Formats: sequence, structure tokens, C-alpha cells
Amino acid sequence: GIQVEQSPPDLILQEGANSTLRCNFSDSVNNLQWFHQNPWGQLINLFYIPSGTKQNGRLSATTVATERYSLLYISSSQTTDSGVYFCAVLGATNKLIFGTGTLLAVQP
Amino acid sequence: DTGVSQNPRHKITKRGQNVTFRCDPISEHNRLYWYRQTLGQGPEFLTYFQNEAQLEKSRLLSDRFSAERPKGSFSTLEIQRTEQGDSAMYLCASSLLYSMNTEAFFGQGTRLTVV
Repeated sequence: GIQVEQSPPDLILQEGANSTLRCNFSDSVNNLQWFHQNPWGQLINLFYIPSGTKQNGRLSATTVATERYSLLYISSSQTTDSGVYFCAVLGATNKLIFGTGTLLAVQP
Repeated sequence: DTGVSQNPRHKITKRGQNVTFRCDPISEHNRLYWYRQTLGQGPEFLTYFQNEAQLEKSRLLSDRFSAERPKGSFSTLEIQRTEQGDSAMYLCASSLLYSMNTEAFFGQGTRLTVV
């Protein structure tokens, strides 16, 4: 099956700093999503981005499907950005496969 | 429609008891997924439905686990003879197949604690 790897596994930032999270996947995909998991465990949709670039406020994402990776950019980080970020891909088997996540801590 | 809804939000049960969770997807969505997440791990796929048909089950889903989606709307996940290793967050998601946009949306999850 498709393997999804995220890096870095952990990241500590000072408030106001920028960061880039990476998601690599091992095969062609039909869909790629980025999620933020809140402290209560709910997965919040950030981007649906099978290819190309999208921006939403301080967050943006780029997927290069031909090279099998996606990047999530967080600019001017805030303490509320803390949490776990997951990418998930939808392959030929039509099930979402999650990466291992990046744990982000933004310090004031 | 307020999104995917899961009930209960929390469940504490004694080892050996049966539990059932419910998931109500976004109304027009024809695909429904169940995932399990343990502490420090990403969500792991359990099973999914397309309308009322269960199309795939993970090897993680032992014979103590059963899922149904009787009319292609809400779904239930039952765990029989619960074990402490079943303690986890159980997540449900829905999406629309046969669409240009297959974005999946998750519910708040049901946190199960087996004591």
C-alpha cells in the first residue's frame, strides 16, 4: 500500500516564526488533504490539494503530484497553531491513508 | 447540515462489555469511513462503506468488531467483548464519491476507555 511520511516529527517555534511541514508519499494519489488535530482530537480540514498551490490566511500548501510530495507553510505562527498536523492521501484503493504527523509547539 | 456527527463523545466501559458507536455523515455523502487512533499515532483505517455496501475491512478489524450502514445513511460500529487494547479514539469521516471533489470530513470522534 501507499506509504506516507511526514517531516519533521516534532517542531518547536517561537511565536511569529515561519515553518514548513513536508509530506512524502510513495505512489500516485487522487487526493491529498492536510488536517490540524485540535486538543480534543477532532481533525480540522486545512486544505484539499491534490495538486497545485492554495492559500488560506497565514497558511498555504503546495502539492507536486509528479514528484510525490506536499508542503504546508505556516507563516507568522501563533500559539493557537500548536497541535498535530497530518497529511492524508487517497490512492487507488479509495481509502485515506494518514501520515505519522508533525507535532508543532508554538511558544509565546 | 452541521457536518459529521458522532455519538457518544466519550464511553467508559468494563472489559468484556459490548459497546456501539454511531456516526451520522454529511447528508449527501455516499462514502463513510471508520478510523481508530491511539495516543501519539496517526489515524488507522478500519473500514469503509459506499452507500450501504461495506467495501473493505482492515486486518486491524478483528472478529469482535462489526460495522453496518443499513440504509446508506448513518453507520454503527460495534465492539464485542471489549479489551483494554481497544481503548482509543474512534473517528468517522464521510465524502462524496463520483465527484471532482472527494474531500473527506471527520466527526469529533468517540473516545473509548476500557477499564
